[in-house]
Amino acid sequence: GAVVSQHPSWVICKSGTSVKIECRSLDFQATTMFWYRQFPKQSLMLMATSNEGSKATYEQGVEKDKFLINHASLTLSTLTVTSAHPEDSSFYICSALLDRGYEQYFGPGTRLTVT
Amino acid sequence: LAKTTQPISMDSYEGQEVNITCSHNNIATNDYITWYQQFPSQGPRFIIQGYKTKVTNEVASLFIPADRKSSTLSLPRVSLSDTAVYYCLVGDIDSNYQLIWGAGTKLIIKP
Repeated sequence: GAVVSQHPSWVICKSGTSVKIECRSLDFQATTMFWYRQFPKQSLMLMATSNEGSKATYEQGVEKDKFLINHASLTLSTLTVTSAHPEDSSFYICSALLDRGYEQYFGPGTRLTVT
Repeated sequence: LAKTTQPISMDSYEGQEVNITCSHNNIATNDYITWYQQFPSQGPRFIIQGYKTKVTNEVASLFIPADRKSSTLSLPRVSLSDTAVYYCLVGDIDSNYQLIWGAGTKLIIKP
């Protein structure tokens, strides 16, 4: 149980375009989801906390107008990278909390390449 | 927030027991300790979680001394497939949900 999926698993887009990444909790409801970014050979860096039915909370230095997060239901959060640039190329990972547990359930990640 | 410190890398051999220690000198009373495993180009996977003393599950053991300023993840009889990066996280359910990730320990298992 507690499976999280992400779609797409990888995407290539041109500079200036927007890309939407979906994060779904398949067998549980998640009021809170998290979005991370991970550059090669580096650790995970939290970008934002996504709460169902309310605005996302962004970490310092993360542009909320560039990385749009929508958590419209208890099983789906989306991250839209707007006006993508090559420096946005990274591995984006989402996670979800099962109720108020400490354990995060992670998606498989999405590899974004901006050309 | 409790910061964690882990060795950058470790090597071991198949069949050996591997112990990875994490230091968290500023751990707070309400903080739990959680370990994750991550393979390249995959999301992290939960291994084990504990608060104090010893916790054991089907894949690992977690040892936490009384002062809780460190913890040790023990992997029994490792195999090549255990080659991965292991992260130690510390946090409180009511604050940061353990969201601050350190550099992790890259464990390489040799045949």
